[in-house]
Amino acid sequence: NAGVTQTPKFQVLKTGQSMTLQCAQDMNHEYMSWYRQDPGMGLRLIHYSVGAGITDQGEVPNGYNVSRSTTEDFPLRLLSAAPSQTSVYFCASSYSFLSPLHFGNGTRLTVT
Amino acid sequence: TQLLEQSPQFLSIQEGENLTVYCNSSSVFSSLQWYRQEPGEGPVLLVTVVTGGEVKKLKRLTFQFGDARKDSSLHITAAQPGDTGLYLCAGNTETSGSRLTFGEGTQLTVNP
Repeated sequence: NAGVTQTPKFQVLKTGQSMTLQCAQDMNHEYMSWYRQDPGMGLRLIHYSVGAGITDQGEVPNGYNVSRSTTEDFPLRLLSAAPSQTSVYFCASSYSFLSPLHFGNGTRLTVT
Repeated sequence: TQLLEQSPQFLSIQEGENLTVYCNSSSVFSSLQWYRQEPGEGPVLLVTVVTGGEVKKLKRLTFQFGDARKDSSLHITAAQPGDTGLYLCAGNTETSGSRLTFGEGTQLTVNP
């Protein structure tokens, strides 16, 4: 099984550009989430979804949009990139919100 | 303000030494998870603790959940260089519901 697949692995954007970080899982997990990881701050929840068609905000949702049209995919959209969004982004999935998370290997984003 | 406080933030020890990492909060957690993350990869689950006072062992790693379910510790006996990594605790409270909150992490380096 591939587990949780994130693309791209690396991305450089200029301020104001938009882009979509892709996340797909093949474990038929209902729960999916996006985190950003910054030095000394651990992982902070951006958005999450408890099932197809349902999304909700996490701790740091501003500047990001998500949608969940299928169980497998949970893309994260940056509407207008800012240097403060330079970070490593992780997508994760689990059977339910009380189950252990399975993480992808991350996307390292730099906004100049 | 971080809901989960981890200490120490950095720890560098020699092979064979013992160590303890702490995860503390003022909130009561429904469950608490410990993850380990290596460079360039996503976190991987080590253990989940659910019951106050629970102790779980994973080879040389011992995890304890506080009686009041507000804190947890990870003790490693006879650390090895392969234990090097970022250790993260994460938990759900009754009010956070579907949101899994992470601590800042403890960066452990075990020198040969």
